[in-house]
Order: sequence, then structure tokens, then C-alpha cells
Amino acid sequence: AQKITQTQPGMFVQEKEAVTLDCTYDTSDPSYGLFWYKQPSSGEMIFLIYQGSYDQQNATEGRYSLNFQKARKSANLVISASQLGDSAMYFCAMREGLLFSGGYNKLIFGAGTRLAVHP
Amino acid sequence: NAGVTQTPKFQVLKTGQSMTLQCAQDMNHEYMSWYRQDPGMGLRLIHYSVGAGITDQGEVPNGYNVSRSTTEDFPLRLLSAAPSQTSVYFCASTPGQGDPLAKNIQYFGAGTRLSVL
Repeated sequence: AQKITQTQPGMFVQEKEAVTLDCTYDTSDPSYGLFWYKQPSSGEMIFLIYQGSYDQQNATEGRYSLNFQKARKSANLVISASQLGDSAMYFCAMREGLLFSGGYNKLIFGAGTRLAVHP
Repeated sequence: NAGVTQTPKFQVLKTGQSMTLQCAQDMNHEYMSWYRQDPGMGLRLIHYSVGAGITDQGEVPNGYNVSRSTTEDFPLRLLSAAPSQTSVYFCASTPGQGDPLAKNIQYFGAGTRLSVL
């Protein structure tokens, strides 16, 4: 059965520094996709970045990058140059099957990591 | 730019009461879904819909009903509320069309915080 583990309930970082949020996953399907979502205090989840299991390069999106280590089954989110507005809950999620395989995008979510950015 | 709108934002029920959580999206998305979020756990899928008239169960469907009579609306019904249903409920919509990544990104509402006493 697929599973997402986020071992850091809370993290803090100084403004302008980089921070890594950990995510490990378990699946027997060789085709899968990994998502990261941000949940600010307003509540709604916001999509940040995606990595497919066959993608050759680590995904990047602005200040967000994904450190994808397939053999270790980890997909850590790296936020560079942290800003006060980055304070939020961050969720890692996985979908079995690649995006182009079609069908509804069923996601399994981890428990989340709460990030606090200090000035 | 309403996106996904959930009402109400907060609700308190007594055990055994029924209610409907409303969800509406104005993005013409094909797919819609309901999740619940509990402390120390990630979001868990309750029900989802891939189009008007089509619904299916997710991971934790018991105690909840859904219907999708229009593309825009996807209400979640609690027929007889139980304390175990105290949670924060999120509705999401997904384009279902477009390039492989864009069509699979889920857009979430702000959530409904439900307490069942």
C-alpha cells in the first residue's frame, strides 16, 4: 500500500536561509508522481511543485526545488531564501500512476510539516 | 476569481443531526473531490466525482453521501453526524483537461471546520 511519511512535525528557519522539508514514500508501483502543497493560515491548499518518477531532473519552481532520490524513496522540498510568507503547513502527496495515464488524480497525503520563518 | 467556494466556514452539530456542506467551483473543472483533515494526519479522500452524474468513493466514505447534478456544485451530506466526523473538510476541483500536469493540479477551497458534539 502506498504511504507518505513526513517526519518533521515542525521546523523553523531564519529569514533568507534555505530549509529542507523531508518526505519519504512507499509504493510498489514503478510509475508515480509526487506533489508538494502549501497550506497557509487561511486554510486553502496551494500547489507548489511536482516530480514524476521517470523525470530525469529534479523539479524546480522559483524558490522551490525538489530533491528527488528515487533509490531512497525520498522527495524533499527545498525552499531557498526563506521569506516570512513561507510560514505555513507543507504537505507531501503521492499519486500512483503517471499523470498522462489519465483518470482522477487520487492523492495520498502525508501528515504535514509546519514551517515557521523567523525574522 | 472565486475559484472553489465552501460554505459554511464553521459549523457545530449535535450527534444525529444531518447537514450538507456546500462546494461550488466556477472554473469549469471536470473533477471535484472532498477530503477531511484531522490533526496529525494528512488529507484523506472521502468521495470524488469525474463529471456530472458520476461519483465514486475515496478512502473514508462511510457516513457521507455526495451527488453531482451540475459541473459547478458538489455537496457533501452527513446523514447522521457522529463525533468521529469532527474535522476540517476541504473541497477541491481539478481541471481534468489540458497538459498532463495542469489537468491534474487540485485547487482547494478554504475549508469547513465542523464540530460534532
